[in-house]
Amino acid sequence: GAVVSQHPSWVICKSGTSVKIECRSLDFQATTMFWYRQFPKQSLMLMATSNEGSKATYEQGVEKDKFLINHASLTLSTLTVTSAHPEDSSFYICSASPGVAGNTIYFGEGSWLTVV
Amino acid sequence: GDSVTQMEGPVTLSEEAFLTINCTYTATGYPSLFWYVQYPGEGLQLLLKATKADDKGSNKGFEATYRKETTSFHLEKGSVQVSDSAVYFCALRNTGGFKTIFGAGTRLFVKA
Repeated sequence: GAVVSQHPSWVICKSGTSVKIECRSLDFQATTMFWYRQFPKQSLMLMATSNEGSKATYEQGVEKDKFLINHASLTLSTLTVTSAHPEDSSFYICSASPGVAGNTIYFGEGSWLTVV
Repeated sequence: GDSVTQMEGPVTLSEEAFLTINCTYTATGYPSLFWYVQYPGEGLQLLLKATKADDKGSNKGFEATYRKETTSFHLEKGSVQVSDSAVYFCALRNTGGFKTIFGAGTRLFVKA
């Protein structure tokens, strides 16, 4: 079946540095991918919609300059957390769908980011 | 806007007990409804779904019925196991859309 893979699964970075998380659709092309953030014991909050070949659409309250999203190909979207701070520590998860709206959406395994 | 409300947890049950996790929604149009499960340290997995009113989604002994009249999609399982311990998320997605709206999640602990 369709698989969405994220890398890395776990990352620890120093405060002030940037970290990149990749989201790949392994056996289908995804024109649209989504990035979510989950704080401990809370629900998933949609951060942005990543559109292949165009700018991402960010949800209200999400800093687009801090959370850079690039969707350079139909199988890869990247989320870069710039100048990370401890409050950015969270579980980040992506999802993707093979094309037509309404199709099944597949989630990645998620990436745990800890900023120290 | 669209929203999903599910019962607060944690829910603690003994093995073989009956499980109900309530979920209600508010949406324009006719959304598809989902239950996702997140096991400790893992990402989300689709547990079951229903795409129209009166549909029943089922998987691994879990069931949920799409009730349009009560705007609900309660998750049930007749006999839980320790391995069912996880966080369960109710979610909706509107017809023709990609955006998934999640409830706050309900943590389930099952004791042996």
